[in-house]
Amino acid sequence: DAKTTQPNSMESNEEEPVHLPCNHSTISGTDYIHWYRQLPSQGPEYVIHGLTSNVNNRMASLAIAEDRKSSTLILHRATLRDAAVYYCILRDRNAGNMLTFGGGTRLMVKP
Amino acid sequence: DTAVSQTPKYLVTQMGNDKSIKCEQNLGHDTMYWYKQDSKKFLKIMFSYNNKELIINETVPNRFSPKSPDKAHLNLHINSLELGDSAVYFCASSQVSTSYEQYFGPGTRLTVT
Repeated sequence: DAKTTQPNSMESNEEEPVHLPCNHSTISGTDYIHWYRQLPSQGPEYVIHGLTSNVNNRMASLAIAEDRKSSTLILHRATLRDAAVYYCILRDRNAGNMLTFGGGTRLMVKP
Repeated sequence: DTAVSQTPKYLVTQMGNDKSIKCEQNLGHDTMYWYKQDSKKFLKIMFSYNNKELIINETVPNRFSPKSPDKAHLNLHINSLELGDSAVYFCASSQVSTSYEQYFGPGTRLTVT
């Protein structure tokens, strides 16, 4: 899987939007962009995924750059429960189901 | 109802022992996985398994073996435990048609002394 680069940590205030960036300059045309998060002492949790177009779901929005070399996960109103490590993952749709996690971004939410 | 469950939650054992971790999913999924999260918090895929195919991450020692008695279960057997096997092990499942969305269990913290 192609490599992703994320900031080690970010801080946000409660009830404000959060933009979590991810760089994936070596992305290939068959790579999907996935986001998972891991709350403290829990297993990872699926957040969202996309290929080329921006995506929205009940948890977040995913904005994908036109050249697909970067993407941004957007939490519209951060809550204390959103404090977690957020992982940006590339998965080649032709290479099976296994996910390769990187270091992720630790999001801290201040009340 | 718990979607993906693992037992035990904690496992403390000595070097050289053989141990198993059980995983069950009640989501009707056809694919299950094992991941290892080490002390530096990096998550690494170990296995992907459905009733047709076992895919093994080539970095996994052959002391680790997944065993699936049925579609709802994928147990992890570890022989001759080593100190470096200490980690949190996560089981996950998905439908092969929607494999982008994997459901993870709560994890099993294995400590080898």
